[in-house]
Amino acid sequence: AQSVTQLDSQVPVFEEAPVELRCNYSSSVSVYLFWYVQYPNQGLQLLLKYLSGSTLVESINGFEAEFNKSQTSFHLRKPSVHISDTAEYFCAVSEYGRGSNYKLTFGKGTLLTVNP
Amino acid sequence: DADVTQTPRNRITKTGKRIMLECSQTKGHDRMYWYRQDPGLGLRLIYYSFDVKDINKGEISDGYSVSRQAQAKFSLSLESAIPNQTALYFCATSDPPPSGHNEQFFGPGTRLTVL
Repeated sequence: AQSVTQLDSQVPVFEEAPVELRCNYSSSVSVYLFWYVQYPNQGLQLLLKYLSGSTLVESINGFEAEFNKSQTSFHLRKPSVHISDTAEYFCAVSEYGRGSNYKLTFGKGTLLTVNP
Repeated sequence: DADVTQTPRNRITKTGKRIMLECSQTKGHDRMYWYRQDPGLGLRLIYYSFDVKDINKGEISDGYSVSRQAQAKFSLSLESAIPNQTALYFCATSDPPPSGHNEQFFGPGTRLTVL
């Protein structure tokens, strides 16, 4: 069965600083990978996803994540954060292929706080 | 209008009461899910349904039941609420593979407090 580990529960940074939110997964088969974002008092929104092809995926608001199969990682990065990026970020993995049920397993979340 | 809606958005109830949380979707997806979110624990799957006749337990189904009334509606019930069921509850939907890749779309959540 798949599992997800988000290595940092909280990441405080200053505005305009770079940030990396770390995510490692465990699976014995092929996977799809996702990052979801939850702004205060809101539901979860998809930020970006890796399905296949290029291992570097980008979001429309400047975040990017790189799928590293050998290290089983899918870290999220942004070169310069804004106050409005303050939110909780969840990494998720879904196995696919014959015999898999395509369930989504979430990490426990990383709270990114951007300070002025 | 939102694609996935949940009612109520907030609910306070007492221990022992029966409560139902409802989820509706206009995305036309076959698959629907119920999760609960607790601080520091992320999202945990309660129940999921791959179509109207296919309902499955998730990792924390004890104390909960569900009903899939139609493709678009999936309800979660707490038969006898207890305080440790106080949490934020999310409904989600997805398309089946291969088109859906299991990308899930979430409702706005229901904040439930059990006193």
